[in-house]
Amino acid sequence: KAGVTQTPRYLIKTRGQQVTLSCSPISGHRSVSWYQQTPGQGLQFLFEYFSETQRNKGNFPGRFSGRQFSNSRSEMNVSTLELGDSALYLCASSRTGLNQPQHFGDGTRLSIL
Amino acid sequence: EDQVTQSPEALRLQEGESSSLNCSYTVSGLRGLFWYRQDPGKGPEFLFTLYSAGEEKEKERLKATLTKKESFLHITAPKPEDSATYLCAVQANNNAGNMLTFGGGTRLMVKP
Repeated sequence: KAGVTQTPRYLIKTRGQQVTLSCSPISGHRSVSWYQQTPGQGLQFLFEYFSETQRNKGNFPGRFSGRQFSNSRSEMNVSTLELGDSALYLCASSRTGLNQPQHFGDGTRLSIL
Repeated sequence: EDQVTQSPEALRLQEGESSSLNCSYTVSGLRGLFWYRQDPGKGPEFLFTLYSAGEEKEKERLKATLTKKESFLHITAPKPEDSATYLCAVQANNNAGNMLTFGGGTRLMVKP
């Protein structure tokens, strides 16, 4: 059974640009959630999507947004990139939501120059 | 505000030296507590889910327990391959919404 796939694995951007990250969940999983991991703040919840709708949201500014498609694949977008956005962005999936174990991908490492 | 605190931040053990990792939490509306293991360059890997105080789960050398204020991950006779960062996360449904809050993790190093 294929795991959660995130693309790309590494990305380098400059301040002010925008970026889109992609996540393919495990087959049959309808909940996709996104996280930011940094050495200083640890792992922080961004948002969760279920059936193409954002169902839950963490405490991040509106520059961070996402969407989910009918096949449950999800994208996350960050606009007007700042140096502090450099982080490992993780995607996770589960069958029905956050009350179940999350299956994580290996993340996209985003570096802002 | 929901808070999850893990201690110690780092732990060095000799192979075979048992110990415990702590995860203390302050949340209202707790729905579940999760333990994950994360290896360098990888995403977290699920270990256990605990839903109510008094619950215990066990897998190989690991045992997780839960009280109303904290959870422990007990590691019995660890091996070098147990070296990793261990994360706990709390899922709560309260005024802040429904979200997962992670602790800062415990970096475990087991020396042969």
